[in-house]
Amino acid sequence: SQQGEEDPQALSIQEGENATMNCSYKTSINNLQWYRQNSGRGLVHLILIRSNEREKHSGRLRVTLDTSKKSSSLLITASRAADTASYFCATSRWRSGAGSYQLTFGKGTKLSVIP
Amino acid sequence: EAQVTQNPRYLITVTGKKLTVTCSQNMNHEYMSWYRQDPGLGLRQIYYSMNVEVTDKGDVPEGYKVSRKEKRNFPLILESPSPNQTSLYFCASSPWNLLSGANVLTFGAGSRLTVL
Repeated sequence: SQQGEEDPQALSIQEGENATMNCSYKTSINNLQWYRQNSGRGLVHLILIRSNEREKHSGRLRVTLDTSKKSSSLLITASRAADTASYFCATSRWRSGAGSYQLTFGKGTKLSVIP
Repeated sequence: EAQVTQNPRYLITVTGKKLTVTCSQNMNHEYMSWYRQDPGLGLRQIYYSMNVEVTDKGDVPEGYKVSRKEKRNFPLILESPSPNQTSLYFCASSPWNLLSGANVLTFGAGSRLTVL
């Protein structure tokens, strides 16, 4: 079952603008990760934020995590045409059947950056 | 170069003809997993393995089999493919930690399978 739900499903912006994508989840998590996928290709890891962290930065990426609201946001600043891709959040949560933490992906946000 | 390699990248087959999609990683990762990606449904986990000879079902295991005889390889087997298994398949691997489970995944490039 899918844990993370990204919002919006699709986002179109002009080059140079900031892009914000959100992820909501339902149960407690160990960490939350964001991945990027260029059309039809493998996902690439962008950033990981642990449940005891509130904010993390990596280059033009800023991720926040609000465990009380069970939500996270990914901000891409000064977007470029090359940022056009789908972005997925993945939550690491306890899976009782497995007796361990497992990663579960959302359905993704499709970002289009118009030159 | 650290990578996950899947083969074949593209395959068209017919209903009922057994096929295997291979997956190999060169990072000595304990954890490996198979996902399928379908429009509007995102990535769904098929099977995963926490180490050699340890495999378990994901969210959509029906119609698939896996094995983990060696640490580096995790093949996905479709014994009798059906059209509803037409999809884009991804293999991924990660280090494994008892406390935190699977962490950052490294994905293969994907295998696009069409079952007629």
